[in-house]
Amino acid sequence: AQTVTQSQPEMSVQEAETVTLSCTYDTSESNYYLFWYKQPPSRQMILVIRQEAYKQQNATENRFSVNFQKAAKSFSLKISDSQLGDTAMYFCAFMSRGFGNEKLTFGTGTRLTIIP
Amino acid sequence: DTAVSQTPKYLVTQMGNDKSIKCEQNLGHDTMYWYKQDSKKFLKIMFSYNNKELIINETVPNRFSPKSPDKAHLNLHINSLELGDSAVYFCASSQDWADTQYFGPGTRLTVL
Repeated sequence: AQTVTQSQPEMSVQEAETVTLSCTYDTSESNYYLFWYKQPPSRQMILVIRQEAYKQQNATENRFSVNFQKAAKSFSLKISDSQLGDTAMYFCAFMSRGFGNEKLTFGTGTRLTIIP
Repeated sequence: DTAVSQTPKYLVTQMGNDKSIKCEQNLGHDTMYWYKQDSKKFLKIMFSYNNKELIINETVPNRFSPKSPDKAHLNLHINSLELGDSAVYFCASSQDWADTQYFGPGTRLTVL
């Protein structure tokens, strides 16, 4: 079974600084996808970024980028120039192709607070 | 023009009651999901449907019964509600297994 571990339950950073959220996963699959989702206080789950395991290039989306280390099974999220609106729970998630197993497995989340 | 909608957003009910949560997506996606988020914010898959066919049933008590009348709808019916069923329930949809899942706003269920 796949597992996703987020070792930082809470983090805080000053506005405009850079912060990195950690995520590791465990799988024996070779074909899989990784995601970061954000859940602000509004409760809505919002996709931040997505990475295909077969792509060596790290995904980027404006101020958000990932450091994908496939051999180490690590998928960290870097937020540059952090803004107050980045305050949210951040969930790392994994999905692999397996018959009847196409589902998102989530980590336990990191609560990120941006301090004005 | 909400992509994935759920009704109701809040549901407060007594133990032992039966309740339903409705989900609709207007994205034309083939696959829909139900997730449960507990009080510690942990998210776990409950069910997935592809073209109205059940694909995943993740060891959920049989008091929970999903129903997909068509590709755009996936409803969740819960019988004999228990205190432990209190949680936020999210519906999601995607075009294919590898595609991004889009989530609804969630339904906060409180069982008294």
